[in-house]
Amino acid sequence: ETGVTQSPTHLIKTRGQQVTLRCSSQSGHNTVSWYQQALGQGPQFIFQYYREEENGRGNFPPRFSGLQFPNYSSELNVNALELDDSALYLCASSHALQGPFSGNTIYFGEGSWLTVV
Amino acid sequence: DAKTTQPPSMDCAEGRAANLPCNHSTISGNEYVYWYRQIHSQGPQYIIHGLKNNETNEMASLIITEDRKSSTLILPHATLRDTAVYYCIVRVGGTGTASKLTFGTGTRLQVTL
Repeated sequence: ETGVTQSPTHLIKTRGQQVTLRCSSQSGHNTVSWYQQALGQGPQFIFQYYREEENGRGNFPPRFSGLQFPNYSSELNVNALELDDSALYLCASSHALQGPFSGNTIYFGEGSWLTVV
Repeated sequence: DAKTTQPPSMDCAEGRAANLPCNHSTISGNEYVYWYRQIHSQGPQYIIHGLKNNETNEMASLIITEDRKSSTLILPHATLRDTAVYYCIVRVGGTGTASKLTFGTGTRLQVTL
């Protein structure tokens, strides 16, 4: 149990629709990040949020967007869904540490399986 | 973040130690070595991380060579439940808010009876 919870666990959407995935981070964690994992591949970093602002982004188009709330929970929104968006979406939380040589630990939730048809 | 190289698959007999190697020859002085594993259809599970000293916790031991160009994750007594894909990741420390992990293809460990 990592304390990171995601919802829904599974969902099916039609191409062109929009989807919102939700994540509650571990207690005390102020940074949340999102990953996409296609079948048979490793997770790919989408973006991260700290203090309700996006402060890091991977190679994903603007139709992937997010929010972080004052309680550090987060949403991932994907607009204009494409078939290739079918994947496991993972949320991860951590507590930001400052200073050099600070190796903080990042904990993942169980993910949300999205199927686009 | 530095790139890592891992064997695509390994087998281990139940009860024996599983030694998973990772090469990170381009690692920088402020990059940590992290290990995660992923059991089928579940989220990645944190195992251990270290900078230059060997580390041990209740799950595993991490041995980092003196030049830090490679490391080995040791599961001392593998069980069937340790069957998973193991990812070795190097990540810059001291990045404050940064929580990006760059996953490679990992090592698929199969523990057998």
